[in-house]
Parts: sequence; structure tokens; C-alpha cells
Amino acid sequence: SQQGEEDPQALSIQEGENATMNCSYKTSINNLQWYRQNSGRGLVHLILIRSNEREKHSGRLRVTLDTSKKSSSLLITASRAADTASYFCATAGNTGFQKLVFGTGTRLLVSP
Amino acid sequence: GAGVSQSPSNKVTEKGKDVELRCDPISGHTALYWYRQSLGQGLEFLIYFQGNSAPDKSGLPSDRFSAERTGGSVSTLTIQRTQQEDSAVYLCASSTDRGGQPQHFGDGTRLSIL
Repeated sequence: SQQGEEDPQALSIQEGENATMNCSYKTSINNLQWYRQNSGRGLVHLILIRSNEREKHSGRLRVTLDTSKKSSSLLITASRAADTASYFCATAGNTGFQKLVFGTGTRLLVSP
Repeated sequence: GAGVSQSPSNKVTEKGKDVELRCDPISGHTALYWYRQSLGQGLEFLIYFQGNSAPDKSGLPSDRFSAERTGGSVSTLTIQRTQQEDSAVYLCASSTDRGGQPQHFGDGTRLSIL
């Protein structure tokens, strides 16, 4: 399979706690992107990190990238019930266009 | 509208019938992608259009699947002689494709083959 792997497959936390999701991939990349998907909806882009970057922040999101281990992590701080969704990582190779290879996703449940 | 629009949102059809799924990308986006998402799974790449270049069809699972993009804008994904394993959510995305840009997704078409 071309897909990367994410863990955990499911994560259940309380509001205010932090949530960490991990993504591993198989080939060299140009960039790695994280997307969020609410039930029955399309994917929403959250953050993009390039292969020459190690860490990136956007609001309550923090993404790290370790190209030597071919892995990335997404940290959501001070989670809210509205963060409940599935989260996917996607990698873009060095092929000149943005064909994304998606991971299998982490289902996050944040309880009030 | 401002976002990617897909129609229909839901489609139920009998095995063996042909179906057409439509995607209106964001105005000005030159790149358009189709993905398939089976229940509880990640996205599987199907096909990619970029401007007037020949599309990348490497992800199409069989010759029953085809897609076209007219005038560099609207795209139609056609599935002929549908099978039950074609049941999935079909998602369309567009981007500016200037390299390293995020993709903007529609809400998908949920296809159910009876």
C-alpha cells in the first residue's frame, strides 16, 4: 500500500488536554500536510511542513517532522470538543506535482 | 461559490448502471484531483488534471473509471457498469499547483451501489 500509517487509530481525551497524533511514511518527500475531516464532510487543510523544516506552529497546532525517521507528529494543545474529527497526514513527493499520499487517519474524540 | 462544489452529494444506484459525478473547482485553480475514500479509510488517489497537460490517470482502479475536465474548469468522473465495491465517497480537490500548496476539498459524493 502507498499509504502511510498513523497512530493511534483512535484517541479519546477530555477538553483542555493535549492530543498528539503520529504519522509515518515510506518515501522521500517534498512536504507533509495535515488535514482534518469532520464526519460527512470533505478535508480541511490545517498545516504544511516542508522537508527542510523541523517544526511549525499554527495557533493551537504544532507539527514536527523528522525526515531521518520518516515521521511527523501533530500536537493539538488545549483541545476543545469542536476538535473532534478525523485527522490525516498526507505526503507530497518530489515528482513535480502534488499527488498526495494519505495516511489512514486518527479519529479524535474530545469530550466536554 | 468560494469553495469546491461537488454534485450530487449522495447517489444510490443499482449494480451495472453508469454514474457521473461532478466537481466545480475553485475559480483560478489549475490543478484538480479526484480521490476515493472507502468507509473508515484514508484517501486513495484516482486522477489528476493540471491545465492543458495530459491527466495523470495512474490511480484509476479499472477501465470502467474515466474522467474529463472541460475548459480547464468543471470535471466529471464517470463510472461505467458499477459494482458494489465502487461504493465509497468520491472527493474532489483543487489547488493552485504552484508547488507545495494545500489542496481544497469538496464535501464529496457518497456513492452507494445496491
